[in-house]
Amino acid sequence: DSGVTQTPKHLITATGQRVTLRCSPRSGDLSVYWYQQSLDQGLQFLIQYYNGEERAKGNILERFSAQQFPDLHSELNLSSLELGDSALYFCASSTQNTEAFFGQGTRLTVV
Amino acid sequence: GESVGLHLPTLSVQEGDNSIINCAYSNSASDYFIWYKQESGKGPQFIIDIRSNMDKRQGQRVTVLLNKTVKHLSLQIAATQPGDSAVYFCAENLSGGGADGLTFGKGTHLIIQP
Repeated sequence: DSGVTQTPKHLITATGQRVTLRCSPRSGDLSVYWYQQSLDQGLQFLIQYYNGEERAKGNILERFSAQQFPDLHSELNLSSLELGDSALYFCASSTQNTEAFFGQGTRLTVV
Repeated sequence: GESVGLHLPTLSVQEGDNSIINCAYSNSASDYFIWYKQESGKGPQFIIDIRSNMDKRQGQRVTVLLNKTVKHLSLQIAATQPGDSAVYFCAENLSGGGADGLTFGKGTHLIIQP
């Protein structure tokens, strides 16, 4: 158990809809990262938050957004969903400049 | 753009043998490298990391080697066990730690034969 908790584990939704994925980082970790894993693209970095502030941005679509709350949990919002958004979405957390620990992921299926 | 890639998509070894998983990276400015293991249905699990000022680092049954001259990274697993069956990813990072901007390779599927 990495200590990073993601909910829900599975999510099935229709195209055009909006979903919210939730992540609770390890106790004491200030950084939260979101990754997308698909069969054709592998693990792709989406975005990082550090202590509530956006720190780095990767290949995140404009339809996607994230935030980190004062209690350090984070949410990834995916809107106007397309079939191609079906993937595993991982959250990871770390303290500054140390290895990141990943959650178990949320499997999103868009139908 | 920069890329991290793995030489082989699948590696099959006998239980008890040593495994070597290779990775090539292309960004000479990368200063931090990590190996992750991902079992089916689970998230990536940190195995070992190495910073660019080192060329070798050892953990429990694992060793990571870094050759900056040829931009090559390898993961050696000693005396492989059935529980080592997984997909192994190498990743590189420019900022010295954490996971921001980590560039992952496609992964190597390690299969342990009984």
